[in-house]
Amino acid sequence: AQSVAQPEDQVNVAEGNPLTVKCTYSVSGNPYLFWYVQYPNRGLQFLLKYITGDNLVKGSYGFEAEFNKSQTSFHLKKPSALVSDSALYFCAVRAPRNAGNMLTFGGGTRLMVKP
Amino acid sequence: NAGVTQTPKFQVLKTGQSMTLQCAQDMNHNSMYWYRQDPGMGLRLIYYSASEGTTDKGEVPNGYNVSRLNKREFSLRLESAAPSQTSVYFCASSVDFSYEQYFGPGTRLTVT
Repeated sequence: AQSVAQPEDQVNVAEGNPLTVKCTYSVSGNPYLFWYVQYPNRGLQFLLKYITGDNLVKGSYGFEAEFNKSQTSFHLKKPSALVSDSALYFCAVRAPRNAGNMLTFGGGTRLMVKP
Repeated sequence: NAGVTQTPKFQVLKTGQSMTLQCAQDMNHNSMYWYRQDPGMGLRLIYYSASEGTTDKGEVPNGYNVSRLNKREFSLRLESAAPSQTSVYFCASSVDFSYEQYFGPGTRLTVT
């Protein structure tokens, strides 16, 4: 079975500071990993993914994530946070042989960026 | 190109009533999904359709049924609504082998 943990319910950061949203996973085989963002009263929007290749993945809105196989982590990062980055962030994992492209989501981390 | 659309946006039901949530995508995606989102629990997969003509249970299928009407449309039916089904429901779609899913705006359902 595959699973995802987002250990922080909320992350607070000041505008202009770097931010990190943590994610760890458990899956059989090489994982496919994703980050999504959800703004209030909206659906989820795809940010970035790791399938294979470079461990540092760059995505939308200046976000990036680092895949660490030994620590089974895929933390989301941004060098300089914006107030507009405040939202709910979800990490998700898929096993490579998972039929139907079934994703398992973490519980979400609320990011609050203060001016 | 509207992406993934869902109707209705809001719905209030009484216990025991039935309803169907509609979802359509115009991206020619093969796979479609229904999730529910509850506070602190992330998204949980209810049912999915890997391709037209097939449907399979996800993590929390009890109390729901689905129909993949055609390649574009994937509906979710609650036959006898219960308060435990109060949630926000999201439909999503994806292209085979490209992995990322695209989500609709959601339906907020309250069962009293």
